[in-house]
Amino acid sequence: GAGVSQSPSNKVTEKGKDVELRCDPISGHTALYWYRQSLGQGLEFLIYFQGNSAPDKSGLPSDRFSAERTGGSVSTLTIQRTQQEDSAVYLCASSLVGQNNSPLHFGNGTRLTVT
Amino acid sequence: DAKTTQPPSMDCAEGRAANLPCNHSTISGNEYVYWYRQIHSQGPQYIIHGLKNNETNEMASLIITEDRKSSTLILPHATLRDTAVYYCIVTIKAAGNKLTFGGGTRVLVKP
Repeated sequence: GAGVSQSPSNKVTEKGKDVELRCDPISGHTALYWYRQSLGQGLEFLIYFQGNSAPDKSGLPSDRFSAERTGGSVSTLTIQRTQQEDSAVYLCASSLVGQNNSPLHFGNGTRLTVT
Repeated sequence: DAKTTQPPSMDCAEGRAANLPCNHSTISGNEYVYWYRQIHSQGPQYIIHGLKNNETNEMASLIITEDRKSSTLILPHATLRDTAVYYCIVTIKAAGNKLTFGGGTRVLVKP
């Protein structure tokens, strides 16, 4: 079946512009996660959605970052007034709800470059 | 979640078994050991997980010591496509799988 899909795969934007990154999780997966990975670094947790519960936003680095998940499926991560330090690969993952040891399935990410 | 310690890098010969160690001395009784890998330019890929028993699947085997303070991921016959960063993660069952990725082990499989 189809895996986690992210778009665009690459995005180049000018400093100060807003960007939207999209994630389509695996069908039936109601838990969704956003991570980011700076060049040569490990993964940094950003935000987590599970079902109808309030999202865990504890990893968002600033109020310029926000995410929403409409209809319990597709998610959009928005970065306002982008800065050069926002350049990174943004990874989305999904997993099954109700199975707490269910593994995460990751997409291949969106590579964001802020010039 | 318990902290894990992995060697930063290791080389492996193609066709040989690769044994990747992970220390998690502060692991608690309800924490699972997960292994993921990340091949260049791709998202992380789930490999295997376990609680206290050894586990095996089509990709790898996971050996967990009796005291659960360390584990070893075994790739039985490494191929060039197994070159990747391997992450060992310990997390409690009820955490909603919000995983914390450390530095991992960069594995280079050589011909």
